[in-house]
Amino acid sequence: AQSVAQPEDQVNVAEGNPLTVKCTYSVSGNPYLFWYVQYPNRGLQFLLKYITGDNLVKGSYGFEAEFNKSQTSFHLKKPSALVSDSALYFCAVRLLSSGSARQLTFGSGTQLTVLP
Amino acid sequence: ETGVTQTPRHLVMGMTNKKSLKCEQHLGHNAMYWYKQSAKKPLELMFVYSLEERVENNSVPSRFSPECPNSSHLFLHLHTLQPEDSALYLCASSQKATSTNEKLFFGSGTQLSVL
Repeated sequence: AQSVAQPEDQVNVAEGNPLTVKCTYSVSGNPYLFWYVQYPNRGLQFLLKYITGDNLVKGSYGFEAEFNKSQTSFHLKKPSALVSDSALYFCAVRLLSSGSARQLTFGSGTQLTVLP
Repeated sequence: ETGVTQTPRHLVMGMTNKKSLKCEQHLGHNAMYWYKQSAKKPLELMFVYSLEERVENNSVPSRFSPECPNSSHLFLHLHTLQPEDSALYLCASSQKATSTNEKLFFGSGTQLSVL
């Protein structure tokens, strides 16, 4: 089965501290991995993606993610958290589905709260 | 502003009602999607429309009926819904559905409550 998992429903971190939001995946073939963020009362916004190349991917708002093939992980990181980073974060993997379309499969989301 | 607009923002309906959700994208994209977001569950892809094809999740009940009259507009027609259908319904678009590195642009969603 092809899937993506976010093991933590909630992550709390103090402002200024580094943050990590975890994601693991299970997919046959080469994975295409994404992170999206959802602020309150808003739709999801694209943060970053990994297709090929460097294992460390840099994205919007100072976020980065590290692709680890041996651990099948794609954790989201930021060196210094801001209160404004508080939001719901979704990891996603691109799957080969029926027909010619390839759709994103999302995790269940991790609520990040940055405490002042 | 992501370029994807959904209306209404909130909808309350009874189980015998018929209503429709609307989505419009101003990005010139060729693929549009409906997702269902329930608390602490993975986003569920319901339908995909693109120039190439319509793809639907076989687990979506027939009380949900999509319509895509052109590449800029997408509707989700609702009839005889159940309380468990209460959720945030998100519309998204992308340049095309078949590319593996395409990112999605989401609307703000319609919060649906079924009484």
